[in-house]
Amino acid sequence: QQQVKQSPQSLIVQKGGISIINCAYENTAFDYFPWYQQFPGKGPALLIAIRPDVSEKKEGRFTISFNKSAKQFSLHIMDSQPGDSATYFCAASRPNTGNQFYFGTGTSLTVIP
Amino acid sequence: GAVVSQHPSWVICKSGTSVKIECRSLDFQATTMFWYRQFPKQSLMLMATSNEGSKATYEQGVEKDKFLINHASLTLSTLTVTSAHPEDSSFYICSAREREGLNEQFFGPGTRLTVL
Repeated sequence: QQQVKQSPQSLIVQKGGISIINCAYENTAFDYFPWYQQFPGKGPALLIAIRPDVSEKKEGRFTISFNKSAKQFSLHIMDSQPGDSATYFCAASRPNTGNQFYFGTGTSLTVIP
Repeated sequence: GAVVSQHPSWVICKSGTSVKIECRSLDFQATTMFWYRQFPKQSLMLMATSNEGSKATYEQGVEKDKFLINHASLTLSTLTVTSAHPEDSSFYICSAREREGLNEQFFGPGTRLTVL
């Protein structure tokens, strides 16, 4: 059972455009929602994370939008660049479980010049 | 920032041999380390959670006798794939958490295992 559902599976965006990746979850006990960026053959690197007490968090060109009532959160990459081409994973974790991460299925982003 | 290293970065071995992968937190002490497995173009699947000085907790379906995990110190965890077979070929990634109560996990660069 996939605890966190992610879409789309792949995404092609032109340079300068906005990349949007969506995730949805069911378990209302989740209290931490990170986004990771992974390049081929490398481990995931934390991009940005949010907690349910805020609806939006922005760091540079990366923004997380969080909709608690809809149990959805999304990553927006503004002014997308070819160097942003990577696989992006959303995740969720809840307290008192060792903070195990439940990962989404990943989105392969390609930014074309 | 917190750095996690893995060694080796890639390994090729013959079927039936055992392979040890090390995961180290370089600039912090990790009370908890996690081991993941990732197949090509797929998500990360948690294999086990290890806390320093105690036995690892394995996820359902993961053979604890095949994937031996040791978390002997606050900066080192090892994963040993025993009697490896071609189906064990995968990308193994560890992550570390500094202390209980913190959500953030820092990931290592991964180890590519190929079993011939």
